[in-house]
Amino acid sequence: GAVVSQHPSWVICKSGTSVKIECRSLDFQATTMFWYRQFPKQSLMLMATSNEGSKATYEQGVEKDKFLINHASLTLSTLTVTSAHPEDSSFYICSASGTGGTNEKLFFGSGTQLSVL
Amino acid sequence: EDKVVQSPLSLVVHEGDTVTLNCSYEVTNFRSLLWYKQEKKAPTFLFMLTSSGIEKKSGRLSSILDKKELFSILNITATQTGDSAIYLCAVEPGGSNYKLTFGKGTLLTVNP
Repeated sequence: GAVVSQHPSWVICKSGTSVKIECRSLDFQATTMFWYRQFPKQSLMLMATSNEGSKATYEQGVEKDKFLINHASLTLSTLTVTSAHPEDSSFYICSASGTGGTNEKLFFGSGTQLSVL
Repeated sequence: EDKVVQSPLSLVVHEGDTVTLNCSYEVTNFRSLLWYKQEKKAPTFLFMLTSSGIEKKSGRLSSILDKKELFSILNITATQTGDSAIYLCAVEPGGSNYKLTFGKGTLLTVNP
């Protein structure tokens, strides 16, 4: 099946610094990528929809200046958490839509655990 | 606003038991309902359901959709400790290009 690579898998940073997370579709072109946030024992909350070559669409309540999304190519989207604070600590997962051999059409990265000290 | 409600939120069973996980939804212009298993990292795809009454089966797992009652169930028979995970239900509206709304998930723990 299609593969989505996300890194780093975990990152620890100091409060006030910025952190960039990359999401790559390795063997298919992803015109649309999604970024989710997940708190412990809770579900995936969609943060934004990223379309190649255009501005991301953010969900209500998600600060676009805080969570910068860039989707410059059909295989790469990045999420930058700017001026991170402890409350931004969470598990971030990307997904990309593509064409699989089965009914699976949305492929997830392995996630990034962000801890802000 | 699209909505997905899963129940129970958590469940503890013994190996060999059969479990049924529930998912009800409200969505504008329904396209599909999906089930995922999440262990430690990324969710892994289990099933996609689009039509009512047609059971999808994969080994010990099966799922069915009722579009009239806006409901789906995921069954796991003869559970094993490796089935311990969070099971996520999600719905996809038509025309959304896979923009999914997830439920809170069911945390299943299978004890030896």
